[in-house]
Amino acid sequence: IAGITQAPTSQILAAGRRMTLRCTQDMRHNAMYWYRQDLGLGLRLIHYSNTAGTTGKGEVPDGYSVSRANTDDFPLTLASAVPSQTSVYFCASSDSPTGLSGANVLTFGAGSRLTVL
Amino acid sequence: GQNIDQPTEMTATEGAIVQINCTYQTSGFNGLFWYQQHAGEAPTFLSYNVLDGLEEKGRFSSFLSRSKGYSYLLLKELQMKDSASYLCAVRDSNYQLIWGAGTKLIIKP
Repeated sequence: IAGITQAPTSQILAAGRRMTLRCTQDMRHNAMYWYRQDLGLGLRLIHYSNTAGTTGKGEVPDGYSVSRANTDDFPLTLASAVPSQTSVYFCASSDSPTGLSGANVLTFGAGSRLTVL
Repeated sequence: GQNIDQPTEMTATEGAIVQINCTYQTSGFNGLFWYQQHAGEAPTFLSYNVLDGLEEKGRFSSFLSRSKGYSYLLLKELQMKDSASYLCAVRDSNYQLIWGAGTKLIIKP
């Protein structure tokens, strides 16, 4: 089934530890995104990539890094986790970057629930 | 600043009609989206409006008034499976998506 696979589904992490959330898509979409979702807040963009080899900062990039070595994979790394990074993380992709006109629908992964203690 | 306002929670009865409102103040406008998100799951696309008026898609319709900074999602013939959160998002002049916090819709038998 075509779509986005995220791993892990859930993780409890000690503060100060390094963590990488994995994201793989098989739709050959050009653009990929990482969002965090917190109770009472809208989805907030962490980082994005309009095409393989390029990345950009979103609304809340501090403490996170990404890479886009190829079209399919877009891992998100927390270099030194802090409790405020406790959240549900969604990876998403779209055929074209949101900067282009048209509907440009986002397809989301199932999410990774991260708890930092 | 940019802002998307939606009611936090709404309750409706199975078989009825419900309207979920979304008002926005953004720097420019390049389209409005509605997504559905069941508890513990990923958001999924419902509708897209870029011009004023009503877009109908089966039991779901979405309306947009750009001059009023207003949209609504209309759900007809409500089913229990429609219990979910409904997210409104606006694409601003920089083509960035601004998301509302979502409206949790509870359907009662």
